[in-house]
Amino acid sequence: EAQVTQNPRYLITVTGKKLTVTCSQNMNHEYMSWYRQDPGLGLRQIYYSMNVEVTDKGDVPEGYKVSRKEKRNFPLILESPSPNQTSLYFCASSFGVPGEQFFGPGTRLTVL
Amino acid sequence: DQQVKQNSPSLSVQEGRISILNCDYTNSMFDYFLWYKKYPAEGPTFLISISSIKDKNEDGRFTVFLNKSAKHLSLHIVPSQPGDSAVYFCAASDPTGNQFYFGTGTSLTVIP
Repeated sequence: EAQVTQNPRYLITVTGKKLTVTCSQNMNHEYMSWYRQDPGLGLRQIYYSMNVEVTDKGDVPEGYKVSRKEKRNFPLILESPSPNQTSLYFCASSFGVPGEQFFGPGTRLTVL
Repeated sequence: DQQVKQNSPSLSVQEGRISILNCDYTNSMFDYFLWYKKYPAEGPTFLISISSIKDKNEDGRFTVFLNKSAKHLSLHIVPSQPGDSAVYFCAASDPTGNQFYFGTGTSLTVIP
């Protein structure tokens, strides 16, 4: 089944404790992206990747890092999480750009 | 600053009637627009898209209209069905096709 998977689905952590949210797609998509969804703000793009080893900042990249060492994986790294990064995070991928993106199920992160 | 706006947080329509969801954008450089549907506890799913060279695109019960001079797009659902009840997000991409900007969403309720 074609899908985008994210892990973990739920995470509660404390300020400053490094964490990684994994994202993987099995559709051989070149483009991948991370978004966060907050009430009243919709989805905002954090980072995107056009292909392996090619990444760039989206609208709200501060406090986040990404890497794209393999085509299928695009992890989101929070080196020192803060409470304002409490949010619902979505990973997405598409075959080309611009194109319809396939979204993962979301990761709900709470930073205390 | 929100570059894509959905000014109606919610909309209720009777089953069988037309649902019209609206979206405005501020950046005249946006050239590809998409609508996504989102159910609770799931990621958004792609619905329909339109390129800036068109003013209308149709897919079954869903039609998207684009008015570039007004920087406005709308999604028409005819006839509306209870299964259409969801949150609808409009999105726009920059000319590179890599950066996406989403609206804040409209929650549609179709009443049986």
